[in-house]
Amino acid sequence: NAGVMQNPRHLVRRRGQEARLRCSPMKGHSHVYWYRQLPEEGLKFMVYLQKENIIDESGMPKERFSAEFPKEGPSILRIQQVVRGDSAAYFCASSPMVRGSNQPQHFGDGTRLSIL
Amino acid sequence: GQQLNQSPQSMFIQEGEDVSMNCTSSSIFNTWLWYKQEPGEGPVLLIALYKAGELTSNGRLTAQFGITRKDSFLNISASIPSDVGIYFCAGLGNTPLVFGKGTRLSVIA
Repeated sequence: NAGVMQNPRHLVRRRGQEARLRCSPMKGHSHVYWYRQLPEEGLKFMVYLQKENIIDESGMPKERFSAEFPKEGPSILRIQQVVRGDSAAYFCASSPMVRGSNQPQHFGDGTRLSIL
Repeated sequence: GQQLNQSPQSMFIQEGEDVSMNCTSSSIFNTWLWYKQEPGEGPVLLIALYKAGELTSNGRLTAQFGITRKDSFLNISASIPSDVGIYFCAGLGNTPLVFGKGTRLSVIA
């Protein structure tokens, strides 16, 4: 099953530490999206990336959060100096074409981040 | 920013009943998507709608893209216990994918 792969599935960090979340898109997909989901809420867009390019980061906090999608390897969502409010489920999705086209996004099973 | 109003927030139904849920927006979308999410998992795409007025089925699921491009509904016929989960609508336009807050479906056997 060559779906969207995210790891780790669960991540526990203490306040002030760094969290790194990884996402490998579906085979043949070159566009990656990151979303955040709080309990009882829908998913909120954070950032959209192509290989080596950030296309839209309008949903990502300006401080402590960064994302990359290198030429080789998975996409990484990095949260520095984590705080309790960063606790959430972070989902990655991929699609084969650019945003705004008719290609729906397919999601991974998420990383559940807990901050102690 | 764009918002989707999804209703109802939750539903409790008997097995075998039909279910209907809908999504409305103040903005126009080019594509409407319906996803299902189960506990501990990511959203799974159920149906994608690409044209205003389009009616699409996937097994017991039927969804329509509203003619105004500002709404969509999802129907589930003859519900079964494995239909339990959270159903999300999502709109895709010239902005990032926007999600509703979900409809939580519980099926009583």
